[in-house]
Amino acid sequence: DTAVSQTPKYLVTQMGNDKSIKCEQNLGHDTMYWYKQDSKKFLKIMFSYNNKELIINETVPNRFSPKSPDKAHLNLHINSLELGDSAVYFCASSQVFISNTEAFFGQGTRLTVV
Amino acid sequence: SQQGEEDPQALSIQEGENATMNCSYKTSINNLQWYRQNSGRGLVHLILIRSNEREKHSGRLRVTLDTSKKSSSLLITASRAADTASYFCATDEGGSNYKLTFGKGTLLTVNP
Repeated sequence: DTAVSQTPKYLVTQMGNDKSIKCEQNLGHDTMYWYKQDSKKFLKIMFSYNNKELIINETVPNRFSPKSPDKAHLNLHINSLELGDSAVYFCASSQVFISNTEAFFGQGTRLTVV
Repeated sequence: SQQGEEDPQALSIQEGENATMNCSYKTSINNLQWYRQNSGRGLVHLILIRSNEREKHSGRLRVTLDTSKKSSSLLITASRAADTASYFCATDEGGSNYKLTFGKGTLLTVNP
């Protein structure tokens, strides 16, 4: 069983479209995250959720809207996609604090905006 | 500020050799972690070292932490082709519990 699974793995879309990425974890973790990895492999936190509540929103444009229907799911919806949104998006989870425990990452969603 | 700057950016070695990667950070931390990312895959946790620890081992991995120099190193001994990956250090910048700040990583290539 995959611990943290994201769908889709690849997403190619045109500018201006709206798209969603889904994430599910079966580890029973309390905290979930979205990270963005750019073309230079730099990983940056976007959002952190703990027990369905938003904890961190790291100055992400409001075109990005995360939704956590329950502790096991954290989806990412992106409106009006721009070329600069092209990146690999990673979902992750941890048992409470990511700062002092192992985080589990999904395999990533490679988003290409054309 | 960008925490967790690794060097070198890329490292190429032969199988059986040791690989050392370094990471520097700017502000005080409670914990530092190392992750591995194989090409096209997600990150995998390798090891966590706390600020009151100086060294930690896990299998062929050895991590050191020098809080006075704000730096850490990851040593992989007796490297294998399967160790080929990008390696990232990550810190709890400013004591945040809910995020890790990653560096840009070191791309390690182990040649058979």
